[in-house]
Amino acid sequence: QQPVQSPQAVILREGEDAVINCSSSKALYSVHWYRQKHGEAPVFLMILLKGGEQKGHEKISASFNEKKQQSSLYLTASQLSYSGTYFCGTENGAGGGADGLTFGKGTHLIIQP
Amino acid sequence: EAGVAQSPRYKIIEKRQSVAFWCNPISGHATLYWYQQILGQGPKLLIQFQNNGVVDDSQLPKDRFSAERLKGVDSTLKIQPAKLEDSAVYLCASSFTNTGELFFGEGSRLTVL
Repeated sequence: QQPVQSPQAVILREGEDAVINCSSSKALYSVHWYRQKHGEAPVFLMILLKGGEQKGHEKISASFNEKKQQSSLYLTASQLSYSGTYFCGTENGAGGGADGLTFGKGTHLIIQP
Repeated sequence: EAGVAQSPRYKIIEKRQSVAFWCNPISGHATLYWYQQILGQGPKLLIQFQNNGVVDDSQLPKDRFSAERLKGVDSTLKIQPAKLEDSAVYLCASSFTNTGELFFGEGSRLTVL
């Protein structure tokens, strides 16, 4: 079951904040976040495991609400380099990697100077 | 550390022809994935290997797609015969464990005419 991402696209000014959401209709074991720039491979941002952990790296953080089967990615004080398409990838059920990741359709983020 | 290597980067073929893509994962990564990414969409898992065994190939169109991973290292994805809807970027990814960060290659862009 493909996770649903929202919004589909966001246009921001440099320095503004953004939130990207990812929701699933199935119980989630983990959520992965990746960023892909045009013509390049997706690059890993972070993994969140069930338990409501919030992880972060510099100005990018994320949360995982197991009960709501949702994850949100927070980009604070966005930089031009944050532009790209953000994908969440979900792992359902008991986890363990048996099912691989199912990716959403992506959220296009454009940062303007 | 060398990344995931893929070849060819680009391939243009006529429908009903065959094509093969090659992937060399990061050394020591036991898990290898092939994803199909159609323009404007998220990556879709085709097949997942753990060493040289198949973990998940439920979304692989087995009437035309085949994949193998020889000796648990390199992998080849073949399409025969190709259809117009197979036009996409084929991404290979590897991970140290089957629940960890995915490292993607730059992809092989296929155009079927």
